[in-house]
Amino acid sequence: EAQVTQNPRYLITVTGKKLTVTCSQNMNHEYMSWYRQDPGLGLRQIYYSMNVEVTDKGDVPEGYKVSRKEKRNFPLILESPSPNQTSLYFCASSSRTSGRPYEQYFGPGTRLTVT
Amino acid sequence: AQSVSQHNHHVILSEAASLELGCNYSYGGTVNLFWYVQYPGQHLQLLLKYFSGDPLVKGIKGFEAEFIKSKFSFNLRKPSVQWSDTAEYFCAATVYNAGNMLTFGGGTRLMVKP
Repeated sequence: EAQVTQNPRYLITVTGKKLTVTCSQNMNHEYMSWYRQDPGLGLRQIYYSMNVEVTDKGDVPEGYKVSRKEKRNFPLILESPSPNQTSLYFCASSSRTSGRPYEQYFGPGTRLTVT
Repeated sequence: AQSVSQHNHHVILSEAASLELGCNYSYGGTVNLFWYVQYPGQHLQLLLKYFSGDPLVKGIKGFEAEFIKSKFSFNLRKPSVQWSDTAEYFCAATVYNAGNMLTFGGGTRLMVKP
């Protein structure tokens, strides 16, 4: 089954404790993205990757890092989480080769709480 | 800056009522437009998309949207809503050839009363 998976689905942590949220897709997509969803603000893009070893900042990259060492994986790293990073996070992927370059497939979400 | 606006933050309807959710974008170039739905506790699912051609786009579950270039709008419609349509709806846009830069509106939370 074609899908985007994220782990963990729920995470409660404390300020300053480094964490990583994993994202994996099995559709051989070139593009992968991370978004955060906050009430009234919709989804805002954190980082995106156009292919392996190619990443770029989205609208709200501060406090986040990403890496793209393999095509299927795109982990989101919070080196020193703060309470304002409490949010719902979504990973997404899309392909340019299918003729539908901007149709993004979303993962199930990771609800992060930073105390 | 490019933006997507959804003016209705919360909408409450009774079953069988007609639905129209507004979406406006501020891009000047060729745009690709989307509506996503998020059911309670679930991830986003694509309802419909517009890339080019017929400005009236039909999606899943009886939803449709009309692209009106002169109004920079892409409103979502459904003639008769059901209780199961209770969800949050997001309009999104990207400029053609802008890579992965998808911009979302703030979302509209729809509640359908049985």
